[in-house]
Formats: sequence, structure tokens, C-alpha cells
Amino acid sequence: DGGITQSPKYLFRKEGQNVTLSCEQNLNHDAMYWYRQDPGQGLRLIYYSQIVNDFQKGDIAEGYSVSREKKESFPLTVTSAQKNPTAFYLCGSGQGWGQPQHFGDGTRLSIL
Amino acid sequence: GQQVMQIPQYQHVQEGEDFTTYCNSSTTLSNIQWYKQRPGGHPVFLIQLVKSGEVKKQKRLTFQFGEAKKNSSLHITATQTTDVGTYFCAGTGGTSYGKLTFGQGTILTVHP
Repeated sequence: DGGITQSPKYLFRKEGQNVTLSCEQNLNHDAMYWYRQDPGQGLRLIYYSQIVNDFQKGDIAEGYSVSREKKESFPLTVTSAQKNPTAFYLCGSGQGWGQPQHFGDGTRLSIL
Repeated sequence: GQQVMQIPQYQHVQEGEDFTTYCNSSTTLSNIQWYKQRPGGHPVFLIQLVKSGEVKKQKRLTFQFGEAKKNSSLHITATQTTDVGTYFCAGTGGTSYGKLTFGQGTILTVHP
């Protein structure tokens, strides 16, 4: 079945630590996205990539980094510079920029 | 930047009652998409509206896009317990070309 796989499902970060969230899709989608979801809020865009080897900052990119070396993969690193990382992180993909998105099951990140 | 406001934030209904959520944009939208997120789950794409005044139906769900393409609504007739979840609108357009801006979502609770 085609879809988006995010791992891990739960992740705990220690003070000063960088952690990487994995996102893999087998939908052959060009566009991939990372969102952050906080309780009672909508999805806020962290980073997006319209094509391999290219990515752009979204609305809340500070403290995060990404790479897009393969079409299928778009990992997100939450760096120690992100002072409030506790949130639900969603990876999405779409056939093209602005097109309807499919989402993975998300990663819930907490601080130890 | 583009803002998308969604009301109400919460809605509690008895099973069988109707439900409506409204979405308003600060700028004219190119299209609007609706997503549903079940508790503990990820957003799932429901529908996309593109044309001014467009109305689309999916069984008990009716979606409308305003004439000015700045507002939209989702109406559910005779709610069922399976309708429980958070409904998000997300729009593209204006200076945020292609980027989906999500509303805060409406959390629907259906009491049996």
C-alpha cells in the first residue's frame, strides 16, 4: 500500500540534544512538508520541499533543519536551538505544490 | 501574511443534530481544502474547492466555497458518532502562493 511512514511514533529529547524524525513516502510525490501541531491549534508549516535537493523555510523554521537527498525521504532534525520542541510533528506529501496532502501518523516529541 | 480563521473552536452536538463549521480568510483564496483528524490520528484529506460559489457533497457532508473566495463552510447533516474529530480548512492563494494555511480547526464531539 502506498503511504507515508513516520518514525518513531514517540520520541524523548534530552536538554541540548538534537533529534531526527524520519519521514518516508512511496507515493512518488514531489512535494513534502513538515508541520508542527500544538493542542488547540492548526498545523503550522516548518519546512517544505518541492523537489529533490531543494527545500524552503516555512513559518516556524527556527530551531529545525531538513534535507531532501532522495525523493522518498524528508527527515526533520529538531536542534537544541528549538527551546519548546514538545509537540506533535506531522509529515505530509502531495503530488505538487499546493495540492491535497497525505499525512503520516505523526511523531510525538517530548522533553525529558 | 495570509490568515485563515475557523469557528467555532468546539462544538458539542447530540447524535442526529446538524453541525456547521466556518472558515474565513483575510485574503482571496485560490482553493480551499478540508481535512478531518480523528482523535489521536492524522489529518485526512476530504475535499478541495476551487471555483467561486462551488458546492460539493459527500454523503451527509456539504462543502461550500464563497462567491468572493474568502470563506467556506462544512455542514454535516444528522451527525453520527463516527463524525467525531477535528475538522480543518486550509487555503492557498494570495502572497502565500501554493502554501497551505490551516485554520485552527473545529473539534466536534457527538453525544450518543
